[in-house]
Amino acid sequence: TQLLEQSPQFLSIQEGENLTVYCNSSSVFSSLQWYRQEPGEGPVLLVTVVTGGEVKKLKRLTFQFGDARKDSSLHITAAQPGDTGLYLCAVGSGNTGKLIFGQGTTLQVKP
Amino acid sequence: DAGVIQSPRHEVTEMGQEVTLRCKPISGHNSLFWYRQTMMRGLELLIYFNNNVPIDDSGMPEDRFSAKMPNASFSTLKIQPSEPRDSAVYFCASSTLQGTGNTIYFGEGSWLTVV
Repeated sequence: TQLLEQSPQFLSIQEGENLTVYCNSSSVFSSLQWYRQEPGEGPVLLVTVVTGGEVKKLKRLTFQFGDARKDSSLHITAAQPGDTGLYLCAVGSGNTGKLIFGQGTTLQVKP
Repeated sequence: DAGVIQSPRHEVTEMGQEVTLRCKPISGHNSLFWYRQTMMRGLELLIYFNNNVPIDDSGMPEDRFSAKMPNASFSTLKIQPSEPRDSAVYFCASSTLQGTGNTIYFGEGSWLTVV
């Protein structure tokens, strides 16, 4: 059983469309992170959300942490081919610095 | 600033051979992580070190896997003997231990193929 369930697993859309991907768990977390991984590279941190209900924006990307701090969503407005990649959510394990990742959502944005 | 540096970037080896993957973390970071990524299992934490000391190796799949961190600027992950099912991308990552909201910086990965 995965600690973090991400959905959908795969998403292929046309440039200009909007999309939302989800990261869900039955556990409560003090914080949650979103990473993006492009082909042939390592994951890169996009954002950290800490407070229940928090919304953070990064250009066309909007991240929300659930009120109960068990889930999160990532919404992309007017997707671009450059948004193509693997989107991973991750949570820390106590104060150890260790991060546990979800399986990820693979996004393909076609021109 | 140099990021996390991994070598080799690509390795193809025969089953039964020893494989050594190397990592240089970001200077000043006191935590180092080894992850493995496959299509089936995603990104899995194998082992991590704090201040060069292994803290949690529960993710290391078998005794064939071992990791060392002899100093703050170098770590190795060794597989001996290697098997085809070890084929994966192995990522090294480093961070400064901050507790909540820790940021981990990944290297570009070592792509291992065992034939």
